[in-house]
Amino acid sequence: DTEVTQTPKHLVMGMTNKKSLKCEQHMGHRAMYWYKQKAKKPPELMFVYSYEKLSINESVPSRFSPECPNSSLLNLHLHALQPEDSALYLCASSQDPRGWGDSYEQYFGPGTRLTVT
Amino acid sequence: RKEVEQDPGPFNVPEGATVAFNCTYSNSASQSFFWYRQDCRKEPKLLMSVYSSGNEDGRFTAQLNRASQYISLLIRDSKLSDSATYLCVVSDYGQNFVFGPGTRLSVLP
Repeated sequence: DTEVTQTPKHLVMGMTNKKSLKCEQHMGHRAMYWYKQKAKKPPELMFVYSYEKLSINESVPSRFSPECPNSSLLNLHLHALQPEDSALYLCASSQDPRGWGDSYEQYFGPGTRLTVT
Repeated sequence: RKEVEQDPGPFNVPEGATVAFNCTYSNSASQSFFWYRQDCRKEPKLLMSVYSSGNEDGRFTAQLNRASQYISLLIRDSKLSDSATYLCVVSDYGQNFVFGPGTRLSVLP
C-alpha cells in the first residue's frame, strides 16, 4: 500500500495566523519531503528529512518551519504567511535515502490546498 | 539553462496514437530518473523509474541516455485516460529532486 495522507485538504488562513500541515505514511519509508506547487508549475522541493533529520532546506523562508516527530510523521508549521504563499503543499516519502534506484521512488500525498488572505 | 527541460507541449493526439516525450537534464551528477503523471488538481503519481538499460511497463517505455543527458517516455496505443501532464524528475542520491516543467497530453476521441 503506497499511501501518504495529508491533513487538512484545504486551509484558508490570514497573514497573522499560525497553522500546521500534517503528513503521515506507514510504509516504513525513511525519507520525507515537502514540496510547494503553484498553478501550472511543477512541484518545487522545500525540505527533505532523512532518517528524521533535516537534510535539505532549499532556502525556504523561516515562516515555514518543518518538523519530523517520528519516522511516520511530518509537519509543516506556518506563521505570518504572505498571499504569494498560497499554493498546493505536497508531502512525499521514499523508501531509503541511503539506498539506490527504486528506493528513491517518491510517493505523494494528495496535498493541502492553502489560501492566504 | 534550466536543470530539467521538457517538450513545451501541449500534445493533442487521437486515441491509439503513439506519443513520445523528451526530457534533458543539465546536472551530470544525476543518478536517478523518473516519470510521473499528474492529473489536474491531483498529486503527481509515479509512472516509472528510468534505468540505463531502458524499461517497459505495458504500453509505456522509458529510455535513458546518460552520455546525452536525455530521458524519453513512449506511450503506445494511447487511451483517453492517458490525458495528463507528464513530469520528468531527476535526482542525485535520493535527496535533491528536480522536476521538469511538464508536458501536457490530451488524448482525443
